[in-house]
Amino acid sequence: ETAVFQTPNYHVTQVGNEVSFNCKQTLGHDTMYWYKQDSKKLLKIMFSYNNKQLIVNETVPRRFSPQSSDKAHLNLRIKSVEPEDSAVYLCASTSQDTQYFGPGTRLLVL
Amino acid sequence: QQQVRQSPQSLTVWEGETAILNCSYEDSTFNYFPWYQQFPGEGPALLISIRSVSDKKEDGRFTIFFNKREKKLSLHITDSQPGDSATYFCAASAMGYKLTFGTGTSLLVDP
Repeated sequence: ETAVFQTPNYHVTQVGNEVSFNCKQTLGHDTMYWYKQDSKKLLKIMFSYNNKQLIVNETVPRRFSPQSSDKAHLNLRIKSVEPEDSAVYLCASTSQDTQYFGPGTRLLVL
Repeated sequence: QQQVRQSPQSLTVWEGETAILNCSYEDSTFNYFPWYQQFPGEGPALLISIRSVSDKKEDGRFTIFFNKREKKLSLHITDSQPGDSATYFCAASAMGYKLTFGTGTSLLVDP
């Protein structure tokens, strides 16, 4: 049963545009993450939020910014996309050591 | 620097065979090692995990073997099925801190 929801599933845009991805978890977890998964399937953590506090920022470009309204939601905004941003963006929430992932948002930048 | 490495990058086995996926790490503070399974179009999902106090963990057809001294572990999938075809990630963490994911192994089980 899906407990981490992401929208949209897929997004195509052009260089320079702004995009925003949504993530919601219904597990009651306190910590959420955004990962980037590239074409080689490498998983790279981008951000984590704990009770609305940013606790990890893995030196991602400034055009990326997480946005959270409450502990169940963690959105990702990309201010001006570039071709290298094409990837799958995965949201996750965590309970102790286990991370629960959403299905991902696939971004294609033309 | 990749702290968690996996091999092989891709693996093909016949249905019914045992698939062996390898993982190694560098940070000696890592004490929790989950394996995640990812199917196309989905996010990774926890498959099985082990803590450094154990050297073996079984769950059905899936078994983790852990060698703390050599900082190596492996995932054995016995009686492999076509439905096991997926990408498998080894991950590691220390004291509940953030997970570090490996490079992944893409497994294909031929019927």
